[in-house]
Amino acid sequence: QVHLVESGGGLVKTGGSLRLSCAASGFTFSDYYMSWIRQAPGKGLEWISYIDSSGNIIYYADSVRGRFTISRDNVNSSLSLQMNSLRAEDTALYYCAKYDILTGYYEYFDHWGQGTLVTVSS
Amino acid sequence: DIQMTQSPSSLSASVGDRVTITCRASRSISFYLNWYQHKPGKAPKVLVYSASSLQSGVPSRFSGSGSGTDFTLTISSLQPEDFATYYCQQSFSTPFTFGPGTRVDIK
Repeated sequence: QVHLVESGGGLVKTGGSLRLSCAASGFTFSDYYMSWIRQAPGKGLEWISYIDSSGNIIYYADSVRGRFTISRDNVNSSLSLQMNSLRAEDTALYYCAKYDILTGYYEYFDHWGQGTLVTVSS
Repeated sequence: DIQMTQSPSSLSASVGDRVTITCRASRSISFYLNWYQHKPGKAPKVLVYSASSLQSGVPSRFSGSGSGTDFTLTISSLQPEDFATYYCQQSFSTPFTFGPGTRVDIK
């Protein structure tokens, strides 16, 4: 059974940094793309980054490019998100999600964690 | 970026009702459209992927259709556990984008 558990959220000051982690189990982590998605209070879902299975292909949303860095540790089955220069608008519940791809057939987030809350305040 | 819109933004329905939610992409996304259900305090859950493929374990009362720019999610007979917010999401190109959501409430 796929299990994704995020950690590392908390209260941070504007301009500060935070590192989120996602512990994965129940599947061969090194075979799958992974992603971070967030939901600001009262808002919808926003995709912010993904990383391919080897860590060589990475994409970011414009809203976080240059400030956030996604990485993965396939030995320990973990995904990370280093968040720097945090802004009030980064306040959100951050979800880790497994991204299932079969080229030409499907690409979707098939499992999600419960999320970790990041609050950015001055 | 591909913009996703959904209608309605919210609806009230009764148990047993047939519910249809529409999603539109700002340009063609072929069949790369997914639907998710999200309940407060829970992880989002995929219902339909690639526009019309039902995710394993999802009840058959959920179905999806469409291609190109226009898509629908249908719940054939609404059940008490279906009251939630539903999001469409395109996976045709990055940045992946979600629709603003459709909240389904009890009438």
